[in-house]
Amino acid sequence: GDSVTQMEGPVTLSEEAFLTINCTYTATGYPSLFWYVQYPGEGLQLLLKATKADDKGSNKGFEATYRKETTSFHLEKGSVQVSDSAVYFCALSDPETSYDKVIFGPGTSLSVIP
Amino acid sequence: NAGVMQNPRHLVRRRGQEARLRCSPMKGHSHVYWYRQLPEEGLKFMVYLQKENIIDESGMPKERFSAEFPKEGPSILRIQQVVRGDSAAYFCASSPTSTGGGNQPQHFGDGTRLSIL
Repeated sequence: GDSVTQMEGPVTLSEEAFLTINCTYTATGYPSLFWYVQYPGEGLQLLLKATKADDKGSNKGFEATYRKETTSFHLEKGSVQVSDSAVYFCALSDPETSYDKVIFGPGTSLSVIP
Repeated sequence: NAGVMQNPRHLVRRRGQEARLRCSPMKGHSHVYWYRQLPEEGLKFMVYLQKENIIDESGMPKERFSAEFPKEGPSILRIQQVVRGDSAAYFCASSPTSTGGGNQPQHFGDGTRLSIL
């Protein structure tokens, strides 16, 4: 079945460092891809999305490009802040269902230290 | 997380009791999804409901778990005879429509943290 794999955490970075969180997926069709962020004690918030190959999603300084050839959707940010500390989930929308069923990766915890 | 309301935020139950988790979707949303997040794990899909209908319950355990989304009132996730392994965070999400292809991002509540003693 469809699945999402992410790099294991936790990831600890100093403020203003460059961030990459790797994400790869397995899907039979052409899914939409998402990054969600979960701040401590809260639910998930959509960070960015891409719906087709070579699309780049971006928001709040974060970017991710839909790479069909490598089935990847890596999250990047040029300069992280302490407020970016959270758990990041890569996800896909299962293209085999007629509704927006979302499959999540296991999450990557990010801690940014001053 | 504005709009999707879950309550209670924390729920403690003893083994064998019943747990009822409530979710009020965002205004205008008629599609509700429930997910379970075990410690150190991602979210696992449980069930997808529209008003008065269960559309997909493939992620929900066959026994002890049930969900409903009545015409009036919140969606309810019910767990009967809880066991220690039910301890988790349960998240509800809603969307205005659900047409496939990922075109309708889901809006999440802050979750209910269920602890079983």
